[in-house]
Amino acid sequence: AAGVIQSPRHLIKEKRETATLKCYPIPRHDTVYWYQQGPGQDPQFLISFYEKMQSDKGSIPDRFSAQQFSDYHSELNMSSLELGDSALYFCASSRAGSTGYTFGSGTRLTVV
Amino acid sequence: AQTVTQSQPEMSVQEAETVTLSCTYDTSESNYYLFWYKQPPSRQMILVIRQEAYKQQNATENRFSVNFQKAAKSFSLKISDSQLGDTAMYFCAFMKLMEYGNKLVFGAGTILRVKS
Repeated sequence: AAGVIQSPRHLIKEKRETATLKCYPIPRHDTVYWYQQGPGQDPQFLISFYEKMQSDKGSIPDRFSAQQFSDYHSELNMSSLELGDSALYFCASSRAGSTGYTFGSGTRLTVV
Repeated sequence: AQTVTQSQPEMSVQEAETVTLSCTYDTSESNYYLFWYKQPPSRQMILVIRQEAYKQQNATENRFSVNFQKAAKSFSLKISDSQLGDTAMYFCAFMKLMEYGNKLVFGAGTILRVKS
């Protein structure tokens, strides 16, 4: 069965650089979620999209932005990277209103 | 806002024995779901079990079962016949049902080590 695809799997950036993380949801899933998991921490909700519109927003820094495209894939753009942005970034997808979440394998971002 | 508390940072259990991980939550919502996720060293988030708040019957998935006490806002996970592959971080999570965008609120996690 198709899963949630995240790319890249690993990313190393320097401080003040920009990073773009991509997420391809399961086919027919119209809702995408982004979570950030710092070292030794629990995942924290950043933002979600339904049908290309932002549906909810969590503790996402102003330096970050995200969008969902017409093919339902989503991108998380992170600018002016800081050391504290080093984390595992998860994307998950579901159908609207469903509790059936599927997580991707995550993108590990390291800021040096 | 909802909060999820896991009071056991680490637990150990011998292979083939039973272990219970604790979770409490705080919410004023009446319609919600509770989850246990497993995160092995690979860091993949794997759904273990799910409980609907309006169902009194405790969910069961093979060796995994929950004790859901709605009035006490408690949601513990019991793992029977523990296996080495159960070694992982376990997160308890709360989901408030919304029309669009059901985000998860996680607890801090419990590291479970299964010993041979």
